[in-house]
Amino acid sequence: NAGVTQTPKFRILKIGQSMTLQCTQDMNHNYMYWYRQDPGMGLKLIYYSVGAGITDKGEVPNGYNVSRSTTEDFPLRLELAAPSQTSVYFCASSPQSDRGQNSPLHFGNGTRLTVT
Amino acid sequence: GEDVEQSLFLSVREGDSSVINCTYTDSSSTYLYWYKQEPGAGLQLLTYIFSNMDMKQDQRLTVLLNKKDKHLSLRIADTQTGDSAIYFCAELNTGGFKTIFGAGTRLFVKA
Repeated sequence: NAGVTQTPKFRILKIGQSMTLQCTQDMNHNYMYWYRQDPGMGLKLIYYSVGAGITDKGEVPNGYNVSRSTTEDFPLRLELAAPSQTSVYFCASSPQSDRGQNSPLHFGNGTRLTVT
Repeated sequence: GEDVEQSLFLSVREGDSSVINCTYTDSSSTYLYWYKQEPGAGLQLLTYIFSNMDMKQDQRLTVLLNKKDKHLSLRIADTQTGDSAIYFCAELNTGGFKTIFGAGTRLFVKA
């Protein structure tokens, strides 16, 4: 009963380095999301996906890329890390629903990233 | 555009009731949610309300929705120290696949 699993839990990057944040879910959810959480700012949507092979930009996509080759996995890639990307990153998933149906999010435990 | 606002801090004494308020802008939202985040953890769904309801009660939790004023509140009765956490208000957008979050209200419970 794993739910949404994110790795790593913590990471320190130097400016200009690259990394991939991993996210996998075992609930067969079609919808997956990446959020970043900054203090006092709530959660901002980076990218989302409504199914395998389909991704779309959220509110703050610059500096990030995603892919969705399978239903289970939704990795987030940082190509050239910048200090502004220091944040806590949350992956989430929800079941597919027709408009008007309940679709609550299931979250992973987050990845705390520091760029120095 | 879509926006959700809530106050950042609330402090209550153990045993008192806590009321966390939220306002939202999307009048077409279908579902509104309260999520709870404990330190070092992800968000967990606490409760939700469908937009055609005005109240929902679940044990110590009462959710009130005023759709005319686009105002949502969460009342926690008999607040315990274990209720100390950040509480996020959120709305499901009209497309049904994007959730918009408020900044979160940090609840402090004093023993």
